[in-house]
Amino acid sequence: KAGVTQTPRYLIKTRGQQVTLSCSPISGHRSVSWYQQTPGQGLQFLFEYFSETQRNKGNFPGRFSGRQFSNSRSEMNVSTLELGDSALYLCASSLAGTPHEQYFGPGTRLTVT
Amino acid sequence: AQSVTQPDIHITVSEGASLELRCNYSYGATPYLFWYVQSPGQGLQLLLKYFSGDTLVQGIKGFEAEFKRSQSSFNLRKPSVHWSDAAEYFCAVGNTNAGKSTFGDGTTLTVKP
Repeated sequence: KAGVTQTPRYLIKTRGQQVTLSCSPISGHRSVSWYQQTPGQGLQFLFEYFSETQRNKGNFPGRFSGRQFSNSRSEMNVSTLELGDSALYLCASSLAGTPHEQYFGPGTRLTVT
Repeated sequence: AQSVTQPDIHITVSEGASLELRCNYSYGATPYLFWYVQSPGQGLQLLLKYFSGDTLVQGIKGFEAEFKRSQSSFNLRKPSVHWSDAAEYFCAVGNTNAGKSTFGDGTTLTVKP
């Protein structure tokens, strides 16, 4: 089976812009979670989608949003980018949904200048 | 609230030596416990998991971990470390009530030749 794929792998954006990141889960997995990873804050949970519904949400401002499509692919959007949004954004898919084991993609490295 | 503590930020071991990475968790009921490994620029790879049953679990790449409820610990071990094991290791705890997994801050492993 193909693993979790994330596109793009690298992004450079300017403050104030918005960005959309994409995640394709492992075939058959219905849960997709998003995490932000930074050197200072570590791995922080953004949100989880299961069967197109947001099931759980972390403590991030409303500028961070996501959605899941009927084929389980997911996108996350960050509006009005800030310098502090620079991070590695990881997507993870799961067959049964969190907190069960998750399979991670390689991440999207977002740099905000 | 659930939480994970990895007391060691950085560990250095010689190739061929044994390894133990510590993980302490906080959660009232029986947790779901995981260890993940992350190589530079990569996503996280699941090493092993504990949900219930035998408290000593075997994982990939020769790793094992032992769940000790009395100590709220889930330490990762490997009898003989290889240079390719150099990476960052994350312990995570999850539960169905929260519907998410919480990650520790990670331990960076350096392997000396």
